[in-house]
Amino acid sequence: SVLLYQKPNRDICQSGTSLKIQCVADSQVVSMFWYQQFQEQSLMLMATANEGSEATYESGFTKDKFPISRPNLTFSTLTVNNARPGDSSIYFCSSRDRGLEQYFGPGTRLTVL
Amino acid sequence: QQQVRQSPQSLTVWEGETAILNCSYENSAFDYFPWYQQFPGEGPALLIAIRSVSDKKEDGGFTIFFNKREKNLSLHIKDSQPGDSATYFCAASKGNNNNRIFFGDGTQLVVKP
Repeated sequence: SVLLYQKPNRDICQSGTSLKIQCVADSQVVSMFWYQQFQEQSLMLMATANEGSEATYESGFTKDKFPISRPNLTFSTLTVNNARPGDSSIYFCSSRDRGLEQYFGPGTRLTVL
Repeated sequence: QQQVRQSPQSLTVWEGETAILNCSYENSAFDYFPWYQQFPGEGPALLIAIRSVSDKKEDGGFTIFFNKREKNLSLHIKDSQPGDSATYFCAASKGNNNNRIFFGDGTQLVVKP
């Protein structure tokens, strides 16, 4: 299995500001995924990030709004630019080990005022 | 088009009863079906998974019944306990480490003592 750690676990920011969420894996993983979850709703895949290459974004998510970095095989950051109240949600990083099993971090709860 | 559907949206059972959560999928190429359990304030945790070559998978009090022809599956939680109260997500993917996982909208389970 893969253990994922996220920092911060929660954040409150003002509209128009940017914030960064960090994700660290306890072992090297090829792909890291970022998900968005609104209160008691399903998990929306935002993007897939492989080491050393540009992240691939899903429909509705853009690089300008949610830039993702993946500098090495254990680390990734998600930035939320020009944050708006509609971005208030929980952000999860996720990854797979060598098999099919996919694991999730504890999440970062973001509130935008 | 939603790839994975779950029902019911919410379910309440009494302690000791068997909770049955349903899931159906669109793509007949899916062959890996994990279920995730999510408690409030936590990330989703992989609970149990089945491959399409099997029609049943058991792990402790959790059992998946899978019907490939009908493209549906169900999660049975035997002898439900209040501690099983959580949101359960059904997911599906093609059995390749490179393929994304599609999530259903979840079933919110409440087990009353």
